[in-house]
Amino acid sequence: RKEVEQDPGPFNVPEGATVAFNCTYSNSASQSFFWYRQDCRKEPKLLMSVYSSGNEDGRFTAQLNRASQYISLLIRDSKLSDSATYLCVVNRGNDMRFGAGTRLTVKP
Amino acid sequence: EPEVTQTPSHQVTQMGQEVILRCVPISNHLYFYWYRQILGQKVEFLVSFYNNEISEKSEIFDDQFSVERPDGSNFTLKIRSTKLEDSAMYFCASNEYYEQYFGPGTRLTVT
Repeated sequence: RKEVEQDPGPFNVPEGATVAFNCTYSNSASQSFFWYRQDCRKEPKLLMSVYSSGNEDGRFTAQLNRASQYISLLIRDSKLSDSATYLCVVNRGNDMRFGAGTRLTVKP
Repeated sequence: EPEVTQTPSHQVTQMGQEVILRCVPISNHLYFYWYRQILGQKVEFLVSFYNNEISEKSEIFDDQFSVERPDGSNFTLKIRSTKLEDSAMYFCASNEYYEQYFGPGTRLTVT
């Protein structure tokens, strides 16, 4: 089983749509959780950390379920500029493990 | 806003040659990392570095790789004898707590 698994997509949605990404991780000792976005041929950029209580940043909501080892990201009212690959990242000590990413394309 | 910088942006080398990739982490950060991303594949952890020594390394980080912090600002990744399969983007990252900030990457092409 892969350490961090994501639905690869691609997700093609119209502007204004709501889209949800899921991620599961295999190591129960994982400590911290993040969503990064990566534009084509660019470096990953931190989108948000994910907390057990769930957290929201504008149009983005992240959830963590430690019992199920499951992380989610919800994007509301999607914009053209949200088109990117979204990376689920799990941290164990100083070792960050990345999912393969979910590709999102938002269309006019 | 402080940022991680990397040089060069693109390095072309012949198989068997040594390469050194350079990074300048954010100045008050204490933890430093190297990752690689083969074209079309996921980001892979190579090594983390803290207090002038390696704290974690992955199965990819074998004897042909080494890291160094030669002075107070630079953090380098050396690949001793490059192979074709070392062709990838190499990202440096640093952090103070848990959230890591990535440099723009060095594209390494081994011919």
